[in-house]
Amino acid sequence: EIVLTQSPATLSLSPGERATLSCRASQSVRSLLAWYQQKPGQAPRLLIYDASNRATGIPARFSGSGSGTDFTLTISGLEPEDFAVYYCQQRSSWPLTFGGGTKVEIK
Amino acid sequence: EVQLLESGGDLVQPGGSLRLSCAASGFTFNNYPMNWVRQAPGKGLEWVSSIGGSDESTYYADSVKGRFTISRDNSKNTLYLQMNSLRADDTAVYYCVRRGSGWGPIDYWGQGTLVTVSS
Repeated sequence: EIVLTQSPATLSLSPGERATLSCRASQSVRSLLAWYQQKPGQAPRLLIYDASNRATGIPARFSGSGSGTDFTLTISGLEPEDFAVYYCQQRSSWPLTFGGGTKVEIK
Repeated sequence: EVQLLESGGDLVQPGGSLRLSCAASGFTFNNYPMNWVRQAPGKGLEWVSSIGGSDESTYYADSVKGRFTISRDNSKNTLYLQMNSLRADDTAVYYCVRRGSGWGPIDYWGQGTLVTVSS
């Protein structure tokens, strides 16, 4: 099973600041990694797929990078609606696995 | 517009059974693999099971293998999850989730249905 480790667990930032979230895989997932955003009481929403492709309707301030075992989600300037929990997920091999999540909170 | 509507969540005793359903609309259902993902209260996301578009292949997390069965009825655009021998640690919101065609990324999520296993 591929383990995904997200860091930090919590990121305290102010609106307008840049957020950098990390996801590290225990073995290579090639570029088959996605990022999801989840707000309280809501289902997750796809942000980035295949490491760097923005999903339909996702603002350009969200970007993804990386391949192999190290991946980054960057939010270039936090908007109030971006404060949420973010998960990475791999589909390189079964079982599908998710990271433990990074909570981006208002400082 | 893609829509996934789960139903069937309930309070059930340990050892009991439950069947979840997911009604899909807005896309050609049999072209897409479908999945169940769960989230225990206050916890992260856990993949549960997947099924291919034509029902030819199924996959399960070790934690549910032998107890849960995923199936689909493409004539009804509906996905199912039969859950037997339920345990307290199966308590979670269960999401019906679509993957892109050809086992692509998870791209759409339902709103979830709550399963509570407790005596």
